[in-house]
Amino acid sequence: GEDVEQSLFLSVREGDSSVINCTYTDSSSTYLYWYKQEPGAGLQLLTYIFSNMDMKQDQRLTVLLNKKDKHLSLRIADTQTGDSAIYFCAEETYKYIFGTGTRLKVLA
Amino acid sequence: GAVVSQHPSWVICKSGTSVKIECRSLDFQATTMFWYRQFPKQSLMLMATSNEGSKATYEQGVEKDKFLINHASLTLSTLTVTSAHPEDSSFYICSARGARNTEAFFGQGTRLTVV
Repeated sequence: GEDVEQSLFLSVREGDSSVINCTYTDSSSTYLYWYKQEPGAGLQLLTYIFSNMDMKQDQRLTVLLNKKDKHLSLRIADTQTGDSAIYFCAEETYKYIFGTGTRLKVLA
Repeated sequence: GAVVSQHPSWVICKSGTSVKIECRSLDFQATTMFWYRQFPKQSLMLMATSNEGSKATYEQGVEKDKFLINHASLTLSTLTVTSAHPEDSSFYICSARGARNTEAFFGQGTRLTVV
């Protein structure tokens, strides 16, 4: 089946690291993505990882992929108030399946 | 990254009327376009996938006669919500992917309110 799950909320203090987790079920995923959605806006692609990789780093963002456990995480270092948004993970098979989204709130 | 423009950003229409939403890829040829619907505080639900020049493939539970999708060119896809009802009020987002693109690029979304 196709199912992508995320925790709904995460609250962190400014300057701390944020870790957003995601689990998926389809082992045939080719790419896995992280998107950011600000209020009333579309989706902004943050980063993606190919399914045969286990880690990707892009400036403040680190993506970890555990293919055995079908677990994906996004770590945001030095979280800022501008990082407050909803973060969606998505897996790509022949289509995109999105997670439920994690609302990140950054406290000043 | 590539740019996808969605229009209008918001629309209010009367119940029973039809509304057309446009999705354009501005600097690449979109061989595949996706239409999503997002309910408040929920994830995106894929409605349909369309490849240029062919009929859209609708997800289970999505009425093809109500949500008409046209992908007649490599830069434009349209979603028409026919005979709209208040329960169709939602945020609709398109995304487009070219033949050479790994990822799909998203439009800014359209907020539809049916009164």
